[in-house]
Amino acid sequence: EAQVTQNPRYLITVTGKKLTVTCSQNMNHEYMSWYRQDPGLGLRQIYYSMNVEVTDKGDVPEGYKVSRKEKRNFPLILESPSPNQTSLYFCASSLTARGYNEQFFGPGTRLTVL
Amino acid sequence: AQTVTQSQPEMSVQEAETVTLSCTYDTSESDYYLFWYKQPPSRQMILVIRQEAYKQQNATENRFSVNFQKAAKSFSLKISDSQLGDAAMYFCAYRSGRVRFGAGTRLTVKP
Repeated sequence: EAQVTQNPRYLITVTGKKLTVTCSQNMNHEYMSWYRQDPGLGLRQIYYSMNVEVTDKGDVPEGYKVSRKEKRNFPLILESPSPNQTSLYFCASSLTARGYNEQFFGPGTRLTVL
Repeated sequence: AQTVTQSQPEMSVQEAETVTLSCTYDTSESDYYLFWYKQPPSRQMILVIRQEAYKQQNATENRFSVNFQKAAKSFSLKISDSQLGDAAMYFCAYRSGRVRFGAGTRLTVKP
């Protein structure tokens, strides 16, 4: 089944404790992206990747890191999480960066930073 | 920078009736794409419909259609014959390189 998977689905952590949210897609997509969703703000793009080893900042990259060593994986790293990073996170992928290509979303990761 | 505005935080419609959700955007680019996504309580993001900016014809997908007014930078979603399963958050999105979403409209469908 073609899909985007994220792990973990739920995470409660404490301020300053490094964490990684994994994202993997099995559709051979070139483009991958991370978003955070907050009430009243919709989804905001954190980072995106056009292809392997190519990443770029979205609108809210502060406090986050990403890497794209393999085509299928695009982990999101919070080196020192803070309470303002409590949010719902989505990973998404599309065939290419061409605007028309549909983005497929993962199921979301609910992160709480205490 | 491009911005996407959904001015209706909440909307309500009677089952079988028609409802229109509004979306406006701001951009100086000529080549871009617009999308409507549905997010039910499961939180899964589901593509409803998409529109290419260079196409003047409005996109249609079954009961869902858009009214794309490029000059006015408006991209509204019309849902006809509303069903209980249409109840969800709806997000408008703009894509040209980066992707930007509106704040969303929560749609309630009354039986």
